[in-house]
Amino acid sequence: KAGVTQTPRYLIKTRGQQVTLSCSPISGHRSVSWYQQTPGQGLQFLFEYFSETQRNKGNFPGRFSGRQFSNSRSEMNVSTLELGDSALYLCASSSSGNPNEKLFFGSGTQLSVL
Amino acid sequence: AQSVTQPDIHITVSEGASLELRCNYSYGATPYLFWYVQSPGQGLQLLLKYFSGDTLVQGIKGFEAEFKRSQSSFNLRKPSVHWSDAAEYFCAVGADNGQNFVFGPGTRLSVLP
Repeated sequence: KAGVTQTPRYLIKTRGQQVTLSCSPISGHRSVSWYQQTPGQGLQFLFEYFSETQRNKGNFPGRFSGRQFSNSRSEMNVSTLELGDSALYLCASSSSGNPNEKLFFGSGTQLSVL
Repeated sequence: AQSVTQPDIHITVSEGASLELRCNYSYGATPYLFWYVQSPGQGLQLLLKYFSGDTLVQGIKGFEAEFKRSQSSFNLRKPSVHWSDAAEYFCAVGADNGQNFVFGPGTRLSVLP
């Protein structure tokens, strides 16, 4: 089985722009979560989607949004980019989204905001 | 809400030495606890997890962890470290409502030859 695939791998944007990141989960996985990783704040939960519905959301402003498609692929959008949005964005998937279930992580999208 | 602390930001050990990485959590109910490892430029990989049963859990790559409810701890151990274990290690706790995990700040492990 192919692993979790995130595209693009690297992205450079300027302040005020918007960006869309993509995540393809492992085949058959229905839960997709997004995390932001920065040296200062560590790993922070953004949101989780299960069967096209947002099930959980972290403490991020409304500029951060996401969606999940019927094939479980997910996209994350950040509008009006700020310098502080520079981070590694990690996507993770799991089979049924149970809290005791293992997450499978992608390699991430490294976003740099200039 | 759940929270996780990892008191050690950076640990250096010699190859072949034993290792213990500390993790303390805060959660009102029985927690779901995990240890993940991240190599540079990579995503995270699960080492082991605990949610019930035997409090000593075995994971991949020779790692084990012990859940101690009285100390709210879930420390990771390995009897003999290999150079390839150099990475960042994250402890995480999960809640009952889906997969909104809280991760600790991480402990960076360096291994001396």
